[in-house]
Amino acid sequence: AQSVTQLGSHVSVSEGALVLLRCNYSSSVPPYLFWYVQYPNQGLQLLLKYTSAATLVKGINGFEAEFKKSETSFHLTKPSAHMSDAAEYFCAVRNTGNQFYFGTGTSLTVIP
Amino acid sequence: KAGVTQTPRYLIKTRGQQVTLSCSPISGHRSVSWYQQTPGQGLQFLFEYFSETQRNKGNFPGRFSGRQFSNSRSEMNVSTLELGDSALYLCASSLGLAGGPNGELFFGEGSRLTVL
Repeated sequence: AQSVTQLGSHVSVSEGALVLLRCNYSSSVPPYLFWYVQYPNQGLQLLLKYTSAATLVKGINGFEAEFKKSETSFHLTKPSAHMSDAAEYFCAVRNTGNQFYFGTGTSLTVIP
Repeated sequence: KAGVTQTPRYLIKTRGQQVTLSCSPISGHRSVSWYQQTPGQGLQFLFEYFSETQRNKGNFPGRFSGRQFSNSRSEMNVSTLELGDSALYLCASSLGLAGGPNGELFFGEGSRLTVL
């Protein structure tokens, strides 16, 4: 069975500091992995996706994520946090049956 | 190009009632997926419809059902509402099957259901 674990339901960083949001997956086959962002009172928006091409994936708004098979991880990073990055972030995995499994989310707070 | 539209945005029901939520996908998208979002459980997959056929189903009781029309619009219905059904119900559309080559999910803003 597929599952996604996001470590840390709340993360706070200072403006300009590195953002690191952790995601680990369990999968018996190479998965498709995704990061989504949800701003208050809005739906989810795709940040980036890994589809077995390059292991370092660049997304929108300066975010990127690295697929590490040996660690079964797909952590999301951004070198310098901006106030507008404050939101809920979800990691997701798609299984061979085309079902999406989402993590429970990480709420990012950016401190001015 | 209009995004995914969900109606109603907010609704309040009482236990035992039933509710119908509507989702209009992006024009040209043939797949509609439904998710339940709660603070404790995160996003949980309900079902996916593609070309009027249910293609995938999550682990929810039979009280949760859905359908898709020929114009790709979708509805989901929850019967005999329980307090635990209070949640944000999100609809997502994609050009092809969710997660596939043309399966990027585009989400609506959700319908927030409160069951009293």
